[in-house]
Amino acid sequence: EAGVVQSPRYKIIEKKQPVAFWCNPISGHNTLYWYRQNLGQGPELLIRYENEEAVDDSQLPKDRFSAERLKGVDSTLKIQPAELGDSAVYLCASSLGYEQYFGPGTRLTVT
Amino acid sequence: DQQVKQNSPSLSVQEGRISILNCDYTNSMFDYFLWYKKYPAEGPTFLISISSIKDKNEDGRFTVFLNKSAKHLSLHIVPSQPGDSAVYFCGETGNQFYFGTGTSLTVIP
Repeated sequence: EAGVVQSPRYKIIEKKQPVAFWCNPISGHNTLYWYRQNLGQGPELLIRYENEEAVDDSQLPKDRFSAERLKGVDSTLKIQPAELGDSAVYLCASSLGYEQYFGPGTRLTVT
Repeated sequence: DQQVKQNSPSLSVQEGRISILNCDYTNSMFDYFLWYKKYPAEGPTFLISISSIKDKNEDGRFTVFLNKSAKHLSLHIVPSQPGDSAVYFCGETGNQFYFGTGTSLTVIP
């Protein structure tokens, strides 16, 4: 069974530029999560989807971050414009029950 | 204010001995606590979970204990192996999803 797929794996951009991350969850998983993980910290939830509905986006900085999950499968997370403090690993996870399966993450570096 | 805390950033254990990783939490309204293992440049991998109605769950060399009165859980690895060297995160799931800051375990051959 294929795991959670994320792309790109690495991204380096200059501040004020836009960036987008893509996630393909495990087939059949209706719940999808986007996390941000800073160095030396645990993953922090940004947004959670149940199918195509964002059921928890309370931690998403909505002034610059946006996300969508069209047709309840793939999802994209966008930052526009990026700031230096956005440098982190962005993790996508999916689940059918309580156990979350994580992708390898996208390491974003904003210069 | 951190909802889930892992107060030991690192731990070194001799191969064959027991590794004990600890986690404290503040929110009692959770469904499960999960332990994840993370190697460098990879996403976290699920290791073991415990339901809020249990006090112990065992899977091979891994056992998780839950002390609800103390709001504390621990992961025991016995015997520890060099391949267990990784960062371990505990996380709660239910209505909220919080992870600790991780403990880096080094198993010395």
